[in-house]
Amino acid sequence: VQLVESGGGLVQPGGSLRLSCEASDFTFSYYWMNWVRQVPGKGLEWVADIRPDGSEQFYVDSVKGRFTISRDNAKKSLYLQMNSLRVEDTAVYYCVSTYWGQGSLVTVSS
Amino acid sequence: QAVVTQEPSLTVSPGGTVTLTCGSSTGAVTSGHYAYWFQQKPGQAPRTVIYDTTNKQSWTPARFSGSLLGGKAALTLSGAQPEDEAEYYCLLSYSGPRVFGGGTKLTVL
Repeated sequence: VQLVESGGGLVQPGGSLRLSCEASDFTFSYYWMNWVRQVPGKGLEWVADIRPDGSEQFYVDSVKGRFTISRDNAKKSLYLQMNSLRVEDTAVYYCVSTYWGQGSLVTVSS
Repeated sequence: QAVVTQEPSLTVSPGGTVTLTCGSSTGAVTSGHYAYWFQQKPGQAPRTVIYDTTNKQSWTPARFSGSLLGGKAALTLSGAQPEDEAEYYCLLSYSGPRVFGGGTKLTVL
């Protein structure tokens, strides 16, 4: 099973990024999917999740109204659209089911 | 938003047994919280040890087990090995939103 994130990088405060996660060897459409982030050297923070059929999404309070999680089961892909980014959103972002991706670093800095 | 609590640190002797716990500020942890346990070693991505309270991943050694104990989710390690030294995080579901505990640093010494 592989989960491969992409789309991270350096962005200015107030900017946007879209993270993608592609799954392989995995019945993607059966699973809740999550985005989890981690500031280097700190603990894990759950960010958002989405039902297997994509019908419902949930978010941590700090990203509500700014981040949107979505999925495309036909493409076995998970997404995180991040708008109005803040310095405190800087972290490694992981795509997670019961498996973990390798992470994608998002740096928000001027 | 709920607060999830874990022991900040625990130490176990090689070959010994240790139980890590995961409590919720909202009350007793039940099977409905679908507790997950993750292991993270320095410089590595986390990986799942236990999901849905008691289920093991394909890679999870038999010495790890998950349960509910005294109103908390629990991860028990029986016969600790040096390679089990790591940070362990629990994650609880609250009917959609989820919350991580702060992590337990497990030392095998």
